[in-house]
Amino acid sequence: DAGVIQSPRHEVTEMGQEVTLRCKPISGHDYLFWYRQTMMRGLELLIYFNNNVPIDDSGMPEDRFSAKMPNASFSTLKIQPSEPRDSAVYFCASSSQAAGNQPQHFGDGTRLSIL
Amino acid sequence: QQPVQSPQAVILREGEDAVINCSSSKALYSVHWYRQKHGEAPVFLMILLKGGEQKGHEKISASFNEKKQQSSLYLTASQLSYSGTYFCGTERRNYKLTFGKGTLLTVNP
Repeated sequence: DAGVIQSPRHEVTEMGQEVTLRCKPISGHDYLFWYRQTMMRGLELLIYFNNNVPIDDSGMPEDRFSAKMPNASFSTLKIQPSEPRDSAVYFCASSSQAAGNQPQHFGDGTRLSIL
Repeated sequence: QQPVQSPQAVILREGEDAVINCSSSKALYSVHWYRQKHGEAPVFLMILLKGGEQKGHEKISASFNEKKQQSSLYLTASQLSYSGTYFCGTERRNYKLTFGKGTLLTVNP
């Protein structure tokens, strides 16, 4: 079975540019999570969706960040405008159930560098 | 609130045992354990639900002490493949996981 697929794997761009990260969850999974991982703050939940609807976006750092899930097989995380402090690894994960008694399956991540 | 993991790092020789702890100041519904190797995605190990059960996965097992809001991950007879960073993720019945900062485990030959 295909796992969670993220693209691109690496992104290097200049400050002020728009960045779009993409995620395809595991087929049949109703929950999709976006995380950001840095050395300082660890693995942080940014937002999660249930059946394509955003449920909790309290982890989104500021208005420059936005996420959408137009259908069950695709989600995007957008940063506009990007800043050097946004540099991190961004993971997408999916689950057949919200955190509780089902595991979250992580994609390989997007390593983002903002110059 | 982020759970506290200890130790931050541990170095073992192949065949030795290790315990990694995860503590929360809040009442928990479940604790998830993941292992992440450098440059890779976190990989699920196991989930422990409220109720204090202990689970096992080959030579890796875990427990959840509901009264102390603490979970421990036990690695026995460690193998080189066990090297990586171990994260606990705690959930308070709000469908969100909050991850600790991780424990770096290095297993040497």
